[in-house]
Amino acid sequence: AQRVTQPEKLLSVFKGAPVELKCNYSYSGSPELFWYVQYSRQRLQLLLRHISRESIKGFTADLNKGETSFHLKKPFAQEEDSAMYYCALSGAGGKLIFGQGTELSVKP
Amino acid sequence: EPEVTQTPSHQVTQMGQEVILRCVPISNHLYFYWYRQILGQKVEFLVSFYNNEISEKSEIFDDQFSVERPDGSNFTLKIRSTKLEDSAMYFCASSELSGEIGELFFGEGSRLTVL
Repeated sequence: AQRVTQPEKLLSVFKGAPVELKCNYSYSGSPELFWYVQYSRQRLQLLLRHISRESIKGFTADLNKGETSFHLKKPFAQEEDSAMYYCALSGAGGKLIFGQGTELSVKP
Repeated sequence: EPEVTQTPSHQVTQMGQEVILRCVPISNHLYFYWYRQILGQKVEFLVSFYNNEISEKSEIFDDQFSVERPDGSNFTLKIRSTKLEDSAMYFCASSELSGEIGELFFGEGSRLTVL
């Protein structure tokens, strides 16, 4: 079965602290994985995808096929990073399968 | 910057009534999607649409649901006879390429409340 799991509903850190948002997946085949972000009162938007291997807004994510994980990391969190973060897997037909989402709260 | 737009932003309806949610995808996009998010739950795939036909649908997308691209610009989701459990935020999305490789661009959502 295709599934994405984000174990933390809420992650609260102080500004400047490192952040890791966890994502594990279940997929038979070669997965395409994404992180989407939703800032307050804004639409869901793509943050990054594993295939591009780039850093966006200081965030990186590495696909670990052995651990079936795609954790999102940032070494120094900023207050403007506060948002809902969704890990997603691209399944057959191009549909996205989302995790439950993790709310990141960065305190001053 | 082009955006996906959705109307209405919020609709309240009585159980059993028909509802149409409208979406205007980004103009050069070819793939269209509807997702929904029940309060407190994950964003769930409903249906994908390409080349004027449904390419995939989830088990949620039963006979009460239909999609249409009536005029080449709008992409609508119709719920024929709403149930209480249809209350959710409905998101439209579009992409230039297949979602397997293309970025999905989402609308701001239409909140449906069924009383």
